[in-house]
Amino acid sequence: DTAVSQTPKYLVTQMGNDKSIKCEQNLGHDTMYWYKQDSKKFLKIMFSYNNKELIINETVPNRFSPKSPDKAHLNLHINSLELGDSAVYFCASSPRTGGETQYFGPGTRLLVL
Amino acid sequence: SQQGEEDPQALSIQEGENATMNCSYKTSINNLQWYRQNSGRGLVHLILIRSNEREKHSGRLRVTLDTSKKSSSLLITASRAADTASYFCATDAPIYGNKLVFGAGTILRVKS
Repeated sequence: DTAVSQTPKYLVTQMGNDKSIKCEQNLGHDTMYWYKQDSKKFLKIMFSYNNKELIINETVPNRFSPKSPDKAHLNLHINSLELGDSAVYFCASSPRTGGETQYFGPGTRLLVL
Repeated sequence: SQQGEEDPQALSIQEGENATMNCSYKTSINNLQWYRQNSGRGLVHLILIRSNEREKHSGRLRVTLDTSKKSSSLLITASRAADTASYFCATDAPIYGNKLVFGAGTILRVKS
């Protein structure tokens, strides 16, 4: 059974479109994260939710909007996609907030044309 | 600039050799973690070492932490082709709040 799953795995879309990425964890963790990994493999946190409450909101364009319907799910909606949004987006979870061990999903490879 | 920086950026060794990767960071930390990322996959947690620990082992992995030098090393002994991956250090530091800050990673290639 997959611990942290993301859909879709690949996403190819045109500039200006709106898209969503979904994440689910079955580990019973309280905290979930979205990361962006650029072409140089640099991993940067975007958002974090703890029990459906937003606790980390990095300097991210407001075209990106996370939503956590329950503590097992964290979705990422991106409006008006731009070329620079092309990257791999990872969802992760941890038992609690703070510097806990994190469990990562397989990633969603987004290509904006 | 980043909190954690790995050195070297890339490392190529023969199967059976040992691989050592280093991570330097800038601020006081609560813990430091190492993760592995195989090509096209998500990150996998390897080891967490706390600021009051100096060394930890897990199988063929050995991690050291020197808080006076603000550095850590990851040693993989008797490397295998399957160890080919990118390795990242991540720091949990009070100054950064409730998040891990990842370094840029070391790309390890183990040739068989």
